[in-house]
Amino acid sequence: EAGVTQFPSHSVIEKGQTVTLRCDPISGHDNLYWYRRVMGKEIKFLLHFVKESKQDESGMPNNRFLAERTGGTYSTLKVQPAELEDSGVYFCASSQELAGGETQYFGPGTRLLVL
Amino acid sequence: SQQGEEDPQALSIQEGENATMNCSYKTSINNLQWYRQNSGRGLVHLILIRSNEREKHSGRLRVTLDTSKKSSSLLITASRAADTASYFCATDLDTGRRALTFGSGTRLQVQP
Repeated sequence: EAGVTQFPSHSVIEKGQTVTLRCDPISGHDNLYWYRRVMGKEIKFLLHFVKESKQDESGMPNNRFLAERTGGTYSTLKVQPAELEDSGVYFCASSQELAGGETQYFGPGTRLLVL
Repeated sequence: SQQGEEDPQALSIQEGENATMNCSYKTSINNLQWYRQNSGRGLVHLILIRSNEREKHSGRLRVTLDTSKKSSSLLITASRAADTASYFCATDLDTGRRALTFGSGTRLQVQP
């Protein structure tokens, strides 16, 4: 079974440009999450999809970030326009709903550098 | 301090020794998960322990959970150089949300 995949693995852009990150969850996982780790900080939650619906977007930093999950399969996270402080590693995770707790499986991350 | 804070921040041991990492949290949880991250790689899930469990084992890993002290520990026995990585605890808070709250991690160095 394939794990969570993310594309691209690295992205270097200039301030003000747009970047779109993609996440393909494990097949059959309805729950999809975005997290990020900016330099020197903890991994922070951004948002949670259940199928195509945004269940919780309380961690989204501002309206420059837009996440979509059309069709309830893969998800994209767009940053427009990118700022220097957006640099970091963006992780995607997916899970199945299980009674008593669910394991979130993480992808390898996308390393974003905004210059 | 942060929810899900690990202790120590860094740990260096010799191959064959045991490594113990601790995690403390502040609020009620549904479960607590431990992850490993090798340098430049993604997060690998190690163990999930539910709030009604006290101990779980997986191979050389042993996780304990003390909800009265709001703390967990991860023990790696007979460590190997390949265990060198950062280890994070993440809590699934009892809030109805599914977001995991991560600590800052423990950097483990196992010397061959």
